[in-house]
Amino acid sequence: AQSVTQLGSHVSVSEGALVLLRCNYSSSVPPYLFWYVQYPNQGLQLLLKYTTGATLVKGINGFEAEFKKSETSFHLTKPSAHMSDAAEYFCAVRQNSGNTPLVFGKGTRLSVIA
Amino acid sequence: ETGVTQSPTHLIKTRGQQVTLRCSSQSGHNTVSWYQQALGQGPQFIFQYYREEENGRGNFPPRFSGLQFPNYSSELNVNALELDDSALYLCASSLTGGANIQYFGAGTRLSVL
Repeated sequence: AQSVTQLGSHVSVSEGALVLLRCNYSSSVPPYLFWYVQYPNQGLQLLLKYTTGATLVKGINGFEAEFKKSETSFHLTKPSAHMSDAAEYFCAVRQNSGNTPLVFGKGTRLSVIA
Repeated sequence: ETGVTQSPTHLIKTRGQQVTLRCSSQSGHNTVSWYQQALGQGPQFIFQYYREEENGRGNFPPRFSGLQFPNYSSELNVNALELDDSALYLCASSLTGGANIQYFGAGTRLSVL
């Protein structure tokens, strides 16, 4: 079985500060890992994904994440927060084979303070 | 814009009623997955359809059922609605094979009174 733990249900940063959202996963098989963002009253938008290859992946809006197998982590970072980054962020995992569903964490709400 | 469209956007029903939610998948995608997102929670997998057949199911009772049509669009049906069914229902489409990246629609907000 797979699971995702997102540390911190709410993170607050100042505009221009580093954003760090934490995600740890559990998987008995090699995983695919994802970060999705959800703005109020909207669906999920894919930010970035790790499937194979380079463990540091870059996504949209200046976000990036690093897959660390030894730490079973996939933390999301952005060097400088912008007001428009305020949203709910979800980390998700799935098996790297077959047509398996996504397993999501509970989400982290990011607030950006001016 | 993902190209995945869901209808309706909002819906209010009463306990015991039945509801049908609809999803049009992104062009070229052959797989549709449905998720339930309760308030303050992450999405939970309901089921997935591939080539008009159910191809995986999460921990949801049989009163949650679905269909996929030849054009790969899909419906989610919920019978005998309960108050706890109030949630955002998300549809995701993907192309089976490779990384099978799922792209989500904006969701249908269902309120059960």
